[in-house]
Amino acid sequence: SQQGEEDPQALSIQEGENATMNCSYKTSINNLQWYRQNSGRGLVHLILIRSNEREKHSGRLRVTLDTSKKSSSLLITASRAADTASYFCATAAGTGGFKTIFGAGTRLFVKA
Amino acid sequence: EPEVTQTPSHQVTQMGQEVILRCVPISNHLYFYWYRQILGQKVEFLVSFYNNEISEKSEIFDDQFSVERPDGSNFTLKIRSTKLEDSAMYFCASSESRGGTEAFFGQGTRLTVV
Repeated sequence: SQQGEEDPQALSIQEGENATMNCSYKTSINNLQWYRQNSGRGLVHLILIRSNEREKHSGRLRVTLDTSKKSSSLLITASRAADTASYFCATAAGTGGFKTIFGAGTRLFVKA
Repeated sequence: EPEVTQTPSHQVTQMGQEVILRCVPISNHLYFYWYRQILGQKVEFLVSFYNNEISEKSEIFDDQFSVERPDGSNFTLKIRSTKLEDSAMYFCASSESRGGTEAFFGQGTRLTVV
């Protein structure tokens, strides 16, 4: 089984609307991260939330973490066409937490 | 702003050939990683490297793969005897501390094996 499974797999919204993406994971974590990937490009780190935090904000991004449910959500408010990308949650795993495991991602399409 | 750089951006190679993918991590980072993303699929962990040795590797990272930090700045991934299924984007990343902290990713090398 994989850490970090996002839903929905794909999301299409109008510019100005909010977009919410969810992530579930299976094992205990120290923190959880969200990344963005534009088509065919590298991964851009968006935000990191620690296991003792419940909510974190960064600009138009709001991330929540519920460790009891092993889930996180990423909210993008007032979306823009430029937000069109794939969004991944990622958690540390392995002995000593050396590797980051990514989910399958949510493909967000924001229509202008 | 410091960034991870990868070269080349695109590599085409014939099946059975060896390729070396190069990365220059951020200079004060101590942990280095390679990831792979087959088109349309998840980003998969390959290997992490710390203190001049592999700290963790996935089941994908078999004897066909090797990593090296030949000098103080470069971090390379070598794939021996490439196969068609090695075609993917390969991402290098680095971080100040262990996985689960912010990792900075390069733009990737698209490897096409023909």
